[in-house]
Amino acid sequence: GAGVSQTPSNKVTEKGKYVELRCDPISGHTALYWYRQSLGQGPEFLIYFQGTGAADDSGLPNDRFFAVRPEGSVSTLKIQRTERGDSAVYLCASSLDYDNNEQFFGPGTRLTVL
Amino acid sequence: KQEVTQIPAALSVPEGENLVLNCSFTDSAIYNLQWFRQDPGKGLTSLLLIQSSQREQTSGRLNASLDKSSGRSTLYIAASQPGDSATYLCAVRPRNSGGSNYKLTFGKGTLLTVNP
Repeated sequence: GAGVSQTPSNKVTEKGKYVELRCDPISGHTALYWYRQSLGQGPEFLIYFQGTGAADDSGLPNDRFFAVRPEGSVSTLKIQRTERGDSAVYLCASSLDYDNNEQFFGPGTRLTVL
Repeated sequence: KQEVTQIPAALSVPEGENLVLNCSFTDSAIYNLQWFRQDPGKGLTSLLLIQSSQREQTSGRLNASLDKSSGRSTLYIAASQPGDSATYLCAVRPRNSGGSNYKLTFGKGTLLTVNP
């Protein structure tokens, strides 16, 4: 079946704008994760969903970042009032459930804030 | 706080060589360790996952070992090919009773270049 998909693959925006990044997990995977990867670094955890609820959003850097998963499948990461420091690759991953935690990653969205 | 270090940061080898990438972690209370491959501008492809009770895993020309007590893992690539050129990342999943053991902690990766 299809893997994790993310759209858009690239997003260029201006400082202060609002952006939405979408993640479509593997069908049947109840757990979904967002990570952020800055240049030359490994990915860092942002938020974890189990089903529709955000079970852990402790990695979100500040209140400009928000994520939803209203129907327990597709998730959207929302960034308000973007700043240049938000430029990074945003990776989404999914796993079958909490216990079966092998995480499968999508191709990422490269966000550039000018 | 778990810290994951990968050495070397970059490695360039001629085609056909066998090579070893290293990963070390500070907290041995892990559930598993995963090796990923990342091509430029792409996402992560899982290569091997080693459970904490295992010592090694093999897939084709790849062999990953785990020494949990010393906080080390190695990824061995046999007979390297130019197509192996990529960044290799290791990540650990913590084992803890307080929840949050789904957060993978990544190293910064090793950039491998295999020259024809």
